[in-house]
Amino acid sequence: GAVVSQHPSRVICKSGTSVKIECRSLDFQATTMFWYRQFPKQSLMLMATSNEGSKATYEQGVEKDKFLINHASLTLSTLTVTSAHPEDSSFYICSARATGKTYGYTFGSGTRLTVV
Amino acid sequence: GESVGLHLPTLSVQEGDNSIINCAYSNSASDYFIWYKQESGKGPQFIIDIRSNMDKRQGQRVTVLLNKTVKHLSLQIAATQPGDSAVYFCAEREAAGNKLTFGGGTRVLVKP
Repeated sequence: GAVVSQHPSRVICKSGTSVKIECRSLDFQATTMFWYRQFPKQSLMLMATSNEGSKATYEQGVEKDKFLINHASLTLSTLTVTSAHPEDSSFYICSARATGKTYGYTFGSGTRLTVV
Repeated sequence: GESVGLHLPTLSVQEGDNSIINCAYSNSASDYFIWYKQESGKGPQFIIDIRSNMDKRQGQRVTVLLNKTVKHLSLQIAATQPGDSAVYFCAEREAAGNKLTFGGGTRVLVKP
C-alpha cells in the first residue's frame, strides 16, 4: 500500500532558528502533497498545497515566507519553518496523493514541533 | 452518550456495542468524503471513503452513510473494540478540487 514517511517525528528548536520537515512518498510518485497543522484537541488545518516543480499554493492567512515549501521531486516535499517562534509549536502533518490518481490521500505520521 | 468537550465532542461507548459518529458538511459542491482515525501523536489513518454517487458503503466492521439532501455523513463501527478508541475525522473534497477539508473531529472512548 501507499506509504508516506515524515521526518523528524519530534523536534525542539530555539526561537529564531529554522526547522525543516521532510515528507517522502516511499512507494509511489506524488505530484501533489499537502501540509497541515494541527493544534491540540483541534482538527487539521490545511496550510498549503505543494506542487512538484512549481510554487506551492498557500491557504489564506498562511505566511509563505515563514513556511517555505519545496517540492523538488515526485517523492519529496519539505516544509521549512523559518525564524520559529513559540506560537509555531504544533503538530505538522503531510499528505500525498499518487500521481494520476483521483482518490486516495495518504498521510505521514506527523512532526511535533516545539519552539522554546 | 455524547458530550461536548473543550474542543472535541466525545462519544463514550461500551466495548462490543456499535458506535455512530456523525459529521455535517456545508459545501454542496463536495463529491468525495473520507473518514480518518487519528491516534494520539500520529497521523490520520484512512478508514473508509465514499463518493457522492453512493449513499452507503461498507468495509470491515465499518459503514459510511451519506445523505446529500441534508449534507450529513456518518460512520458506524460495529462491535466497538478498545483499539477503536481514537479521534475520528470526516474530510470532504470539492468536485474537481484537490484538497481535503477536515471536520472538527469526534473522540471515541471505548469502555471495557
